[in-house]
Amino acid sequence: GNSVTQMEGPVTLSEEAFLTINCTYTATGYPSLFWYVQYPGEGLQLLLKATKADDKGSNKGFEATYRKETTSFHLEKGSVQVSDSAVYFCALKDASGYSTLTFGKGTMLLVSP
Amino acid sequence: EADIYQTPRYLVIGTGKKITLECSQTMGHDKMYWYQQDPGMELHLIHYSYGVNSTEKGDLSSESTVSRIRTEHFPLTLESARPSHTSQYLCASSDVAGANTGELFFGEGSRLTVL
Repeated sequence: GNSVTQMEGPVTLSEEAFLTINCTYTATGYPSLFWYVQYPGEGLQLLLKATKADDKGSNKGFEATYRKETTSFHLEKGSVQVSDSAVYFCALKDASGYSTLTFGKGTMLLVSP
Repeated sequence: EADIYQTPRYLVIGTGKKITLECSQTMGHDKMYWYQQDPGMELHLIHYSYGVNSTEKGDLSSESTVSRIRTEHFPLTLESARPSHTSQYLCASSDVAGANTGELFFGEGSRLTVL
């Protein structure tokens, strides 16, 4: 079956530091890949996505590249802010129209001033 | 901004009580979902619906039940709450294209505490 593995948190950084959150996946075929973000006290919201190999998703300074050869979709940001403190979920959706999203366990990011 | 609403946001209730968590969306989405989020943040799909009168169980077995009588409404009910049901419950929806592409819109969640 499908699965998503993310690095465990919390990830603790100082403001303006470089961020990487690792995500690898197992799936048949060619899934679509996502990063969702959950700010404190809120639901999840889509941060970025990539639908095919070598695609780069980007939003709000975050980027992730769909690497089929390494089955990875690592999230990066060049300079984090305190407001980026949240829980980040990597997820995949396989090509089946009836399948649902498979989420990783989430990685908490804490950014200090 | 997503138009999906959950009530109550917070609920503290005693063991054995019946509770209903409400979820409504105004986007006309056919597909709706309930996720249970444990304290470690992991998300578990417990129910989903493809449309009116359609309900399916998710990956995690749950004692809760759901109904989908109207497109916009997808309530979750626990007939007899227990402390093991203490969790955050997140409702989500998507249109057909979103369901195929994985783009879900989430509510803010209902945090249930059963004493």
